[in-house]
Amino acid sequence: KAGVTQTPRYLIKTRGQQVTLSCSPISGHRSVSWYQQTPGQGLQFLFEYFSETQRNKGNFPGRFSGRQFSNSRSEMNVSTLELGDSALYLCASSIGNRATGELFFGEGSRLTVL
Amino acid sequence: AQTVTQSQPEMSVQEAETVTLSCTYDTSESDYYLFWYKQPPSRQMILVIRQEAYKQQNATENRFSVNFQKAAKSFSLKISDSQLGDAAMYFCAYRSARSNQFYFGTGTSLTVIP
Repeated sequence: KAGVTQTPRYLIKTRGQQVTLSCSPISGHRSVSWYQQTPGQGLQFLFEYFSETQRNKGNFPGRFSGRQFSNSRSEMNVSTLELGDSALYLCASSIGNRATGELFFGEGSRLTVL
Repeated sequence: AQTVTQSQPEMSVQEAETVTLSCTYDTSESDYYLFWYKQPPSRQMILVIRQEAYKQQNATENRFSVNFQKAAKSFSLKISDSQLGDAAMYFCAYRSARSNQFYFGTGTSLTVIP
């Protein structure tokens, strides 16, 4: 079974631009979550999608948005990029309907904002 | 909101020795799940061990075990017979049974000394 796939793996943008990151979950997983990882801050929760609906949302500004498609693939978008948005963005999938379900992570998309 | 605290940003252990990583959490919920995740350098995050809050027995997975103290809201990870491959960032995580949302600590970077 294929794991969680994130694209692109690395990208460089300049301030003010926007970026779209993609995540393909494990087959059969209906929940996709996004996290921002920075040194010293750990993983900050962005949002979770389940069956195309946003189920949970973290405390990030409206510049951060996401969506999930009918095949459970998810995208997140960051508009008007700021230097502080430089981070590793992790996507994780889970079955979604059981709290005991673990998260399966992708390798992440490393965003550098210049 | 739930918070997860890992008070040890960095730890080191001699190969073949035992090390304990600390984690505390704050919650008013009675039903939840706790996890330890491992993130090796430049590799994806994987689950190490999981504990259901309603279970009194501490979880064990080979060389990894936890000390779960529900009243104290403490969830430490013990790694026995440490190996070079154990070197990684370790994250403690809490999952709410009510919202299914994960909360992560800031991580502990473990170095294994040959």
